[in-house]
Amino acid sequence: DGGITQSPKYLFRKEGQNVTLSCEQNLNHDAMYWYRQDPGQGLRLIYYSQIVNDFQKGDIAEGYSVSREKKESFPLTVTSAQKNPTAFYLCASSISGLIKATNEKLFFGSGTQLSVL
Amino acid sequence: AQSVAQPEDQVNVAEGNPLTVKCTYSVSGNPYLFWYVQYPNRGLQFLLKYITGDNLVKGSYGFEAEFNKSQTSFHLKKPSALVSDSALYFCAVREGRSNTGKLIFGQGTTLQVKP
Repeated sequence: DGGITQSPKYLFRKEGQNVTLSCEQNLNHDAMYWYRQDPGQGLRLIYYSQIVNDFQKGDIAEGYSVSREKKESFPLTVTSAQKNPTAFYLCASSISGLIKATNEKLFFGSGTQLSVL
Repeated sequence: AQSVAQPEDQVNVAEGNPLTVKCTYSVSGNPYLFWYVQYPNRGLQFLLKYITGDNLVKGSYGFEAEFNKSQTSFHLKKPSALVSDSALYFCAVREGRSNTGKLIFGQGTTLQVKP
């Protein structure tokens, strides 16, 4: 969807295991985001990154970690500390995350469904 | 704090009839408002946005939305619904004074269009 690739499409996690969700974009966007989607709760922001080598916590960052070593990549790790990880995870990007871009839309990937075994 | 409310979990409409999906928002500055659509097991697709200017915004697939500042609403509308419009719709807001690009989303409204 729109130049953002998420993998895998489905992922299963065993208890106590860390898993990493991949998000790659070829849109040359500066900003990238991770949202979690639960039925009836909409999308909640986990982490976001406005520029390479920088990222900020969103509303529900506990139990997750991210890195932004390259502009095109923003992987999300779901750690064993996240006790309720089953959800649909969406990665998004925008041209810029800075103040001049507040009217810009987000482009979304097709999502990863994470389930607990 | 910014917030978005979509008061209806589901909206049912017959094909060919007009549809409305409701959205209200709360921000402390000027709002930037968005509508997205999600088909099953897919990411979100952008429909339209309101930044400033004309209160009636036209978007993709024949959808439009009306910004009402006094009622803090941004309802999504379409004059004649199609079965293929059946999907999950999200309203989102960004505060105008925000220095980040992050969006706050509503909980979503499922639109069901019946033949």
